[in-house]
Amino acid sequence: GAVVSQHPSWVICKSGTSVKIECRSLDFQATTMFWYRQFPKQSLMLMATSNEGSKATYEQGVEKDKFLINHASLTLSTLTVTSAHPEDSSFYICSARQGAKNIQYFGAGTRLSVL
Amino acid sequence: KNEVEQSPQNLTAQEGEFITINCSYSVGISALHWLQQHPGGGIVSLFMLSSGKKKHGRLIATINIQEKHSSLHITASHPRDSAVYICAVRSYSGGSNYKLTFGKGTLLTVNP
Repeated sequence: GAVVSQHPSWVICKSGTSVKIECRSLDFQATTMFWYRQFPKQSLMLMATSNEGSKATYEQGVEKDKFLINHASLTLSTLTVTSAHPEDSSFYICSARQGAKNIQYFGAGTRLSVL
Repeated sequence: KNEVEQSPQNLTAQEGEFITINCSYSVGISALHWLQQHPGGGIVSLFMLSSGKKKHGRLIATINIQEKHSSLHITASHPRDSAVYICAVRSYSGGSNYKLTFGKGTLLTVNP
């Protein structure tokens, strides 16, 4: 089946630094990519939706200047957590929608720990 | 009240038992997903359904649109089925976009 690769799977960084997470659809073109955040024992929460070549649509309460999303191609979207702080520590998951089949595939997630 | 409610939150079973996980939702949807999340965090999509019933191996998913309810069944459960099972409903968020709203998940532990 279709594969979504997310990298890195785990990152530790110092407070104030920026972290970039990549999400790639390996064998299909993703018309839309989604970024989610999951805190321990909580459900996944949608952060933003991005369509290739256009600006991402952010959910209410998600700071677009802090969580920069770039979807420059049909196979790659990136999420950059700028000036990360300990409260940004979470599990970030991307997913990609295969337009023709209207199916959503998930990445393995990135665990971010900000010290 | 959450838009997507799952029950039970935690479920412990003995190997071989028949498992049922329930999902109720309160919004209009175009489809419902059942997902499996392993301890490492990675998510696998098990089913996407908008009506009726689907079966894949030992897994069966059903949905009743009128009652806004779905169930995930696991027959002959095995320790490797231990994971968090998540129900997610798909609804349109405007234009050509849609979004998924997730339940909190059901932690299933199958003991040998």
